[in-house]
Amino acid sequence: QSALTQPRSVSGSPGQSVTISCTGSSSDVGGYDHVSWYQQHPGKAPKRVIHDVTRRPSGVPDRFSGSKSGNTASLTISGLQAEDEADYYCSSYAGSETWVIFGGGTKLTVL
Amino acid sequence: EVQLVESGGGLVKPGGSLRFSCEASGFTFNYAWMSWVRQTPGRGLEWVGRIKSKTDGGTVDYAAPVRGRFTISRDDSKNTLYLQISSLKAEDTGVYYCVIDKSGHYFDYWGQGSLVTVSS
Repeated sequence: QSALTQPRSVSGSPGQSVTISCTGSSSDVGGYDHVSWYQQHPGKAPKRVIHDVTRRPSGVPDRFSGSKSGNTASLTISGLQAEDEADYYCSSYAGSETWVIFGGGTKLTVL
Repeated sequence: EVQLVESGGGLVKPGGSLRFSCEASGFTFNYAWMSWVRQTPGRGLEWVGRIKSKTDGGTVDYAAPVRGRFTISRDDSKNTLYLQISSLKAEDTGVYYCVIDKSGHYFDYWGQGSLVTVSS
């Protein structure tokens, strides 16, 4: 099963909003409400920012939000801050054979 | 505080083997599903396998690309997760993360990762 498709990079200025897309298929993103997003700063482990499409863990700012339409999930970061500059990865449950697939990652640059 | 501390990485020759350990603390390890996720230059983040809690059967699932070479096990008495890799290839080079797996739906906490470099 192929990796989920994410844009290689996105950018925005402080205070702006950016949206990162994650496109899969009916076998993963479109078939289950188990899309999650992970933030990874250089040299650090990934950290969950969204799970189950829209749920935000405690401690993650409400500037981070998730959504899904069909086979495409999205992560929106509003009120961009310098510390949001990182790589972002989506992943989706893909059934009990494949289990989990990841996207290729998106580099967010805060201008 | 949840802590996952991996160890066991290093420089290994192609064809060799390696065992990662992950010492867990700050949560009830024996009830947790645990996974290994790796990050390689060629494939990015990739789930490699999971072991369920013994109360959920203790079964192990592997990603297709690693089936047969990777073995996941756990020792609940030591709060430790293991990943044994045999017949190492250059494309196995990367960072291996121990993660708490929420029923395959998402990864809750990640360790700091352990690097393996496969090179002659």
